[in-house]
Amino acid sequence: DSGVTQTPKHLITATGQRVTLRCSPRSGDLSVYWYQQSLDQGLQFLIHYYNGEERAKGNILERFSAQQFPDLHSELNLSSLELGDSALYFCASSVLGGMNTEAFFGQGTRLTVV
Amino acid sequence: AQSVTQPDIHITVSEGASLELRCNYSYGATPYLFWYVQSPGQGLQLLLKYFSGDTLVQGIKGYEAEFKRSQSSFNLRKPSVHWSDAAEYFCAVGAVSGGYNKLIFGAGTRLAVHP
Repeated sequence: DSGVTQTPKHLITATGQRVTLRCSPRSGDLSVYWYQQSLDQGLQFLIHYYNGEERAKGNILERFSAQQFPDLHSELNLSSLELGDSALYFCASSVLGGMNTEAFFGQGTRLTVV
Repeated sequence: AQSVTQPDIHITVSEGASLELRCNYSYGATPYLFWYVQSPGQGLQLLLKYFSGDTLVQGIKGYEAEFKRSQSSFNLRKPSVHWSDAAEYFCAVGAVSGGYNKLIFGAGTRLAVHP
């Protein structure tokens, strides 16, 4: 158990809908990262938050947004969903924001868009 | 641009045999390098990491990796594979680009273990 909690574990929704994925980082970790894992794209970095502030954006679509709340949990919002958004979405957390710190991954949320 | 290449998509080894998974990276500065393992239905677990110092790093579950700057490689090794090692393995580089940090992952190598 990495200490990173993601909910829900599975999500099935229709095209055009909006969903929210939630991540609770390990106790004490200030950084939260979101990744998308799909068969054709592999593991893609989406976005990084550190202590409530957005630090970096990767290959995140404009239909997607995220935030990190004062209690440090984070939510990833996916809207106007398309079939191609079906993927496993991972959250990871680390103590700091630098790349010399270890990131711990949650078990992911599997999103299926039908 | 930073990138990570794992040349082998699938590898099959017999239980008890040795294992080497290849990883090559492209990064202009001194890289931070990681190996993660993903078991079916699970998240990614860190096996080991290289930040600086000794180029041979030891990880959990008997894994080790060697950083070779001249070859831009960070290959993962295990002397004797167990059936429970069957999983997907990801090499990653911690990169700083445009003032921000991110982990760049390779495409992964899926390991199958024959009894």
